[in-house]
Amino acid sequence: GQNIDQPTEMTATEGAIVQINCTYQTSGFNGLFWYQQHAGEAPTFLSYNVLDGLEEKGRFSSFLSRSKGYSYLLLKELQMKDSASYLCAVSSDTGRRALTFGSGTRLQVQP
Amino acid sequence: DGGITQSPKYLFRKEGQNVTLSCEQNLNHDAMYWYRQDPGQGLRLIYYSQIVNDFQKGDIAEGYSVSREKKESFPLTVTSAQKNPTAFYLCASMGPRALLIYFGEGSWLTVV
Repeated sequence: GQNIDQPTEMTATEGAIVQINCTYQTSGFNGLFWYQQHAGEAPTFLSYNVLDGLEEKGRFSSFLSRSKGYSYLLLKELQMKDSASYLCAVSSDTGRRALTFGSGTRLQVQP
Repeated sequence: DGGITQSPKYLFRKEGQNVTLSCEQNLNHDAMYWYRQDPGQGLRLIYYSQIVNDFQKGDIAEGYSVSREKKESFPLTVTSAQKNPTAFYLCASMGPRALLIYFGEGSWLTVV
């Protein structure tokens, strides 16, 4: 099976940098996704890592270490609108072709 | 515009009643999925379908049923056997590469 862990809640200040960690255990790893989800809405795709290293996309970056089963999402220059849940999801190539999601990290950005 | 349409947005179910959530996509995707989300939780996979006329149980299939008679459509029925159906339901589809994952806007189901 698959197991994905991420912190339940985090608080940060507007303009600051925050790092949201995700650890996973899976067989047949085929990629790691980060999604943003505002309350009552569908998740929105942020980033995808399949190889080790850092992927940068504007204010958002995502890092992956396959040997450690570890990823993080880095948000820079935080804005109030970044207050949302951030979901880590893993894709596996063993059998079903579906994403397995972590429970999500609820980020609160304060003025 | 291409995308996934879920309906209804809000649905109320009485005890012992079956209800069906609609999911239609015009993206020509083979794979479709149903996820359930409880407040403050992540998404849990209910059912998925990789191709027309075929579907598989996910992690929490009990009390749910699906059909995949057309490529565009993947309706989810919440049966009376599902004892705690109040949740946010999300339909998704995936293109030939795992990068292309699209979600519908979701449906809220409440038991009254």
